[in-house]
Amino acid sequence: SQQGEEDPQALSIQEGENATMNCSYKTSINNLQWYRQNSGRGLVHLILIRSNEREKHSGRLRVTLDTSKKSSSLLITASRAADTASYFCATDDSGNTGKLIFGQGTTLQVKP
Amino acid sequence: DTGVSQDPRHKITKRGQNVTFRCDPISEHNRLYWYRQTLGQGPEFLTYFQNEAQLEKSRLLSDRFSAERPKGSFSTLEIQRTEQGDSAMYLCASSLGASGGNQPQHFGDGTRLSIL
Repeated sequence: SQQGEEDPQALSIQEGENATMNCSYKTSINNLQWYRQNSGRGLVHLILIRSNEREKHSGRLRVTLDTSKKSSSLLITASRAADTASYFCATDDSGNTGKLIFGQGTTLQVKP
Repeated sequence: DTGVSQDPRHKITKRGQNVTFRCDPISEHNRLYWYRQTLGQGPEFLTYFQNEAQLEKSRLLSDRFSAERPKGSFSTLEIQRTEQGDSAMYLCASSLGASGGNQPQHFGDGTRLSIL
């Protein structure tokens, strides 16, 4: 079963604009990860934020985590056409298996 | 390229046939995961291995599904007596095992299964 929901399900923006995607989850976590998936391809890891962290940056990506609200956001700044993809948040099951529980994803289209 | 590789990329078969997929993980990774993804959804966990031991199986994995990882290297996922509902993308991922599971997973490009 899916861990939670992502919002919005689809997002269309112009190149250069910022894109924000939100993710909610249901259970306790050790960490939350964001992945990108291009059409017909596997998932690519973007960033991992631990449960004791509140914000993390990687290049044009900024991730926040609010464990009290069980939510996270991914901000992509200065978007490019190449950022067009589906973005998924994933949480672990708070055990030691490392298995991931994914949201339904946000489909981002960046228009040139 | 030393990433995760999956074979075949596409498989079309008739209902009732058996299919087998292969995954070659990153060589130093001791954990290997199988996920299933249907159109418009996120991946759903199926099973995972630590070295050669299969440590967890999802309830999604009916008795028609079996996975192996002999010698803790490559893995195979077999589906027997395929059904229409088995049509999906089957994704394999690998990672280094660590306490708390705080390791990113590296995914292959998947095997897309279509049941006629």
